[in-house]
Amino acid sequence: SQQGEEDPQALSIQEGENATMNCSYKTSINNLQWYRQNSGRGLVHLILIRSNEREKHSGRLRVTLDTSKKSSSLLITASRAADTASYFCATDAYNYGQNFVFGPGTRLSVLP
Amino acid sequence: KAGVTQTPRYLIKTRGQQVTLSCSPISGHRSVSWYQQTPGQGLQFLFEYFSETQRNKGNFPGRFSGRQFSNSRSEMNVSTLELGDSALYLCASIPENTDTQYFGPGTRLTVL
Repeated sequence: SQQGEEDPQALSIQEGENATMNCSYKTSINNLQWYRQNSGRGLVHLILIRSNEREKHSGRLRVTLDTSKKSSSLLITASRAADTASYFCATDAYNYGQNFVFGPGTRLSVLP
Repeated sequence: KAGVTQTPRYLIKTRGQQVTLSCSPISGHRSVSWYQQTPGQGLQFLFEYFSETQRNKGNFPGRFSGRQFSNSRSEMNVSTLELGDSALYLCASIPENTDTQYFGPGTRLTVL
């Protein structure tokens, strides 16, 4: 399957530190997205990076994409307790009869 | 604009029963996708509807079905419920010409 895989599965850091999460996928994509989910609620879109882009920024978020390695990373700088959530990467899967495939997620805990 | 709404938010059913979940997308969005989220399987794509037509379908048994109405509201139905159907069911709407999904808060289904 084309499922993305996030790494690590869980991450615990102190407030103010940076958090880095990685996502790997298996086949070619048109774009990759990152979403955040707070405690069993709906997902919130964070950022989309297209296959012809290498890096994108949005506020304290920085996303990189390496299509040769089929991987992406999400960096959250100067983390806050409110960043505590699960983070998912999603890849488009139009060639597989679906629209998007989500990875299992990284659970981030930011301790005050 | 109002966000994606899902009703009901919580539901308890017993094995063998059937259930209908509802999703109202953001005004103007004609595409609606449904996902099942469980701790073991993560987020799994169920189906996508666009302008009342099912455009894509995930790998779920025929007990899972859906439809979309002319006002873009969508319903999904699960018949002959099994314990394993207990999950958070998420609906997402997508504006045309983008890949960004806007998720609702989900319906938490518990099958006893």
